[in-house]
Amino acid sequence: NAGVTQTPKFQVLKTGQSMTLQCAQDMNHEYMSWYRQDPGMGLRLIHYSVGAGITDQGEVPNGYNVSRSTTEDFPLRLLSAAPSQTSVYFCASSLARGQGGSDTQYFGPGTRLTVL
Amino acid sequence: GIQVEQSPPDLILQEGANSTLRCNFSDSVNNLQWFHQNPWGQLINLFYIPSGTKQNGRLSATTVATERYSLLYISSSQTTDSGVYFCAANLMDSSYKLIFGSGTRLLVRP
Repeated sequence: NAGVTQTPKFQVLKTGQSMTLQCAQDMNHEYMSWYRQDPGMGLRLIHYSVGAGITDQGEVPNGYNVSRSTTEDFPLRLLSAAPSQTSVYFCASSLARGQGGSDTQYFGPGTRLTVL
Repeated sequence: GIQVEQSPPDLILQEGANSTLRCNFSDSVNNLQWFHQNPWGQLINLFYIPSGTKQNGRLSATTVATERYSLLYISSSQTTDSGVYFCAANLMDSSYKLIFGSGTRLLVRP
């Protein structure tokens, strides 16, 4: 198993450009999520999904879109990049337990994004 | 929303020392997880521990859900234990949201 993979590893954008961060998992996990980590801080939840066709907002969703057309893939789209979106982005996946609980989280290696 | 607070924010240990990291959460939670972020940025799950005590080698964790806290114990610390330790909690509101604390940065000196 490859686990959780993310591409690209590094990206530099100019303000106003758009791009998609890719995330894929091969563990048949229902739950997938995107976090951003700013220097010296914890992880903040951007968007998450509990299955194909189901997405919901996290703590900091503005400026980002997601979709979940398959169980394996959960791309994150930046529609019009801003310097405030400079961060390290992590994708994670897990099984989904009942009653709104997620199981052990597995993280991808991260994408380091710089917006000039 | 739920508040997840970790203490201490920074910790420096001599190799071989023991330490306790604390995680407090403001609301009832479905589960509590501990993670280690190594100096290269990789996040590794250490424990999935909604309640009770678990042990894995030199690490152990205890969650007292009724009192809304969890503890991570590191015994006989090694330089490879350095990094940032995060706890994260799932609200008991069926939302599946996993909220992270701000972390404890640990440096173990040889």
